Amino acid sequence: GQNIDQPTEMTATEGAIVQINCTYQTSGFNGLFWYQQHAGEAPTFLSYNVLDGLEEKGRFSSFLSRSKGYSYLLLKELQMKDSASYLCAVRDEVARQAGTALIFGKGTTLSVSS
Amino acid sequence: NAGVTQTPKFQVLKTGQSMTLQCAQDMNHEYMSWYRQDPGMGLRLIHYSVGAGITDQGEVPNGYNVSRSTTEDFPLRLLSAAPSQTSVYFCASSYSAGGHNEQFFGPGTRLTVL
Repeated sequence: GQNIDQPTEMTATEGAIVQINCTYQTSGFNGLFWYQQHAGEAPTFLSYNVLDGLEEKGRFSSFLSRSKGYSYLLLKELQMKDSASYLCAVRDEVARQAGTALIFGKGTTLSVSS
Repeated sequence: NAGVTQTPKFQVLKTGQSMTLQCAQDMNHEYMSWYRQDPGMGLRLIHYSVGAGITDQGEVPNGYNVSRSTTEDFPLRLLSAAPSQTSVYFCASSYSAGGHNEQFFGPGTRLTVL
């Protein structure tokens, strides 16, 4: 089966660095996505990892360790506008063959205060 | 490009009523899907389509029907609304179900069933 775990909530202050962890168990891992979702809005794509290592995109970085079934999203120089939910989503090849493109975690709500 | 559009944005139904949630995309994507998002449950797949004329069930299909007569449109029908179907519904599309193909989400439909 498939399972994705993320912390439910996190808090941080402006200018700080925060790391949001995601652990997963899947039958046939084939990629991991991070999405950002502001309250009342649609999820928007942040990053994609399929090989081990760090992918950096401006203030956001995402890391993947396939052997540990582990990823994290790192947000640097936090701003108030980073207050949002962050969704970890895994592409599982077995599920994809059955038509399920992505399996989503329940999301981590990040609150950034001044 | 408008991306993924959904109508209506808000809807209130009475138990037993039926309705259709509209979804359209102008990116020539083959893969389209419907999710519902409930507090503490994350995004759950209702139905998906890998191309015009091809649809299949996701994780929570009961009470919903879909059709895909064109590449662009993927409506979701609620057959007989129940309070348990109160949720936020997102339509998403991607070039395909695999690879580095991010899903693009519509703005969502907020449905309340009384």
